[in-house]
Amino acid sequence: GQQVMQIPQYQHVQEGEDFTTYCNSSTTLSNIQWYKQRPGGHPVFLIQLVKSGEVKKQKRLTFQFGEAKKNSSLHITATQTTDVGTYFCISSGTYKYIFGTGTRLKVLA
Amino acid sequence: NAGVTQTPKFQVLKTGQSMTLQCAQDMNHNSMYWYRQDPGMGLRLIYYSASEGTTDKGEVPNGYNVSRLNKREFSLRLESAAPSQTSVYFCASGLLALQETQYFGPGTRLLVL
Repeated sequence: GQQVMQIPQYQHVQEGEDFTTYCNSSTTLSNIQWYKQRPGGHPVFLIQLVKSGEVKKQKRLTFQFGEAKKNSSLHITATQTTDVGTYFCISSGTYKYIFGTGTRLKVLA
Repeated sequence: NAGVTQTPKFQVLKTGQSMTLQCAQDMNHNSMYWYRQDPGMGLRLIYYSASEGTTDKGEVPNGYNVSRLNKREFSLRLESAAPSQTSVYFCASGLLALQETQYFGPGTRLLVL
């Protein structure tokens, strides 16, 4: 079945450092969504990517969808303590919704 | 506008007991979803409802039943709870099934002893 692998599983960074998480699919995706979940909280929608090679920015966050629509990345520039949480991607392919396992980000002040 | 609400927030059950988790949304969304999240894991889809009157199985439906009571409400029932069902349960809603942004409720933390 379709799977979405997300790497890394954990990342600790010093405040001010950059951070990137990747989602990789074995099959082509129709779109990909990114969510953030704070510790003890619920997932909150960040962005959706639909087009091949699409790049979207939200302040310090940059989202990219691969040319083959099989992978995606989320890059945070100059992390802040408010960025702490788990970042999930969701694949919306033929097998309904599949969540990536998430990357847990810890930012050290 | 409360978004997606879930009750209860916490629940402790004994093995074999039954219970129903309630979910409601006030955003006039067509689709609703139930997920479970185990410690340190991603979310897994249990059931979803693309529209009022329809339900469909997700990735991990065994041991659960659902009811789409009306457009606003989507309940999840555990008929005979097992320790393996200890998890955090999230309800979500969206405008279009399996395509659009999902809005999540605050979650129900369930412990089965």
